[in-house]
Amino acid sequence: EAQVTQNPRYLITVTGKKLTVTCSQNMNHEYMSWYRQDPGLGLRQIYYSMNVEATDKGDVPEGYKVSRKEKRNFPLILESPSPNQTSLYFCASSPGWGAGGDTEAFFGQGTRLTVV
Amino acid sequence: GQSLEQPSEVTAVEGAIVQINCTYQTSGFYGLSWYQQHDGGAPTFLSYNALDGLEETGRFSSFLSRSDSYGYLLLQELQMKDSASYFCAVDQTGANNLFFGTGTRLTVIP
Repeated sequence: EAQVTQNPRYLITVTGKKLTVTCSQNMNHEYMSWYRQDPGLGLRQIYYSMNVEATDKGDVPEGYKVSRKEKRNFPLILESPSPNQTSLYFCASSPGWGAGGDTEAFFGQGTRLTVV
Repeated sequence: GQSLEQPSEVTAVEGAIVQINCTYQTSGFYGLSWYQQHDGGAPTFLSYNALDGLEETGRFSSFLSRSDSYGYLLLQELQMKDSASYFCAVDQTGANNLFFGTGTRLTVIP
């Protein structure tokens, strides 16, 4: 089954304790991205990757890191989480990007993060 | 800058038709997408318009007017399961991301 898998689904952590949210897709997609979703603000992109070893900042990258060492995996790293990073996080992948590319995004099930 | 505007809430009756509008302001434009998200779930893709006109997929249709920077999602024969949030998203030239609107919460009532 084609899917994007995120782990964990729920996480409560304390301020400053480094954490990683994993994301894996089995569709051989080039493009992967991370979003956070907050009430009234919709989905905002944190980081994206257009291929292995090619990552770039989205609209709200502060406080986050990513890596893309393999095509299928795109982990999100919070080096020193703060309470304002409490949010619902989604990983997404798509076959291509822009200018006629297939941009249909497939989303993981989400990770609800609480930083206390 | 970039902006997307869509109504925050819409209520409609089961079996009826509802239209969710989206106006956008971006520096470049490839196309407009629509996503559905049920409470507690992940967004799922509904449609994509790159050219002017209407795209139909079953009970859902999406329309785009590039000259008016405007699009809409049309849901026909509404069912209770259509109660969800609907997001429009712009695929911009010169930016490798999808920029999402803040979403429209659709409530279908009996």
